[in-house]
Amino acid sequence: DIQMTQSPSSLSASVGDRVTITCRASQGIYNYLAWYQQKPGKVPNLLIYAASTLHSGVPSRFSGSGSGTDFTLTISSLQPEDVATYYCQKYNSAPITFGPGTKVDIK
Amino acid sequence: QLQLQESGPGLVKPSETLSLTCAVSGGSISSSSSYWGWIRQPPGKGLEWIGSISYSGNTDYHPSLKSRVTISADTSKNQFSLRLSSVTAADTAVYYCARHSSAWYLGVWGQGTLVIVSS
Repeated sequence: DIQMTQSPSSLSASVGDRVTITCRASQGIYNYLAWYQQKPGKVPNLLIYAASTLHSGVPSRFSGSGSGTDFTLTISSLQPEDVATYYCQKYNSAPITFGPGTKVDIK
Repeated sequence: QLQLQESGPGLVKPSETLSLTCAVSGGSISSSSSYWGWIRQPPGKGLEWIGSISYSGNTDYHPSLKSRVTISADTSKNQFSLRLSSVTAADTAVYYCARHSSAWYLGVWGQGTLVIVSS
């Protein structure tokens, strides 16, 4: 099975900072990658699919890039409401696999 | 607007079978290209996909759970279900149901239900 890793596992940044999270697949997955945001105690919400397509209603400060094995999620200007854990997920084939998550806090 | 709602016992004894149902409203589970999945999240941990069932009834399961999992659908009630047998404490988690298309990213989630495995 394809394994997904994320780095860093956690980060703390100031409001307005640019934040980048990396996701790596153990094998190439083309652009079959999604990103989710899970706020504390809440349901995961889809942010991005197809590596770079913003899901409906997601603020434009979120963006995704990458293909093959290396992907990034960028928050261009961190806001207090962005405090959450972010997960990547590959979906090129079953089984669906999530990354371990990156916890983002405000400094 | 599509909505999903999980239901089932919040406490299951070790070695017994966990059974959950996901009621779907605002759309049909039989609609073409719709897939319906189960995902779980142990307390304080990450997300794990359990399996999915397609609009036509085809199923896919996570290899690590395949021997214990059954996902089925009841089109007359517009709901789908999860059965996980021989549970242990390691199966304690919040269980989510979700919808995806033939592109398997999870666009709509239920609110989740906590299932504790304990005697």
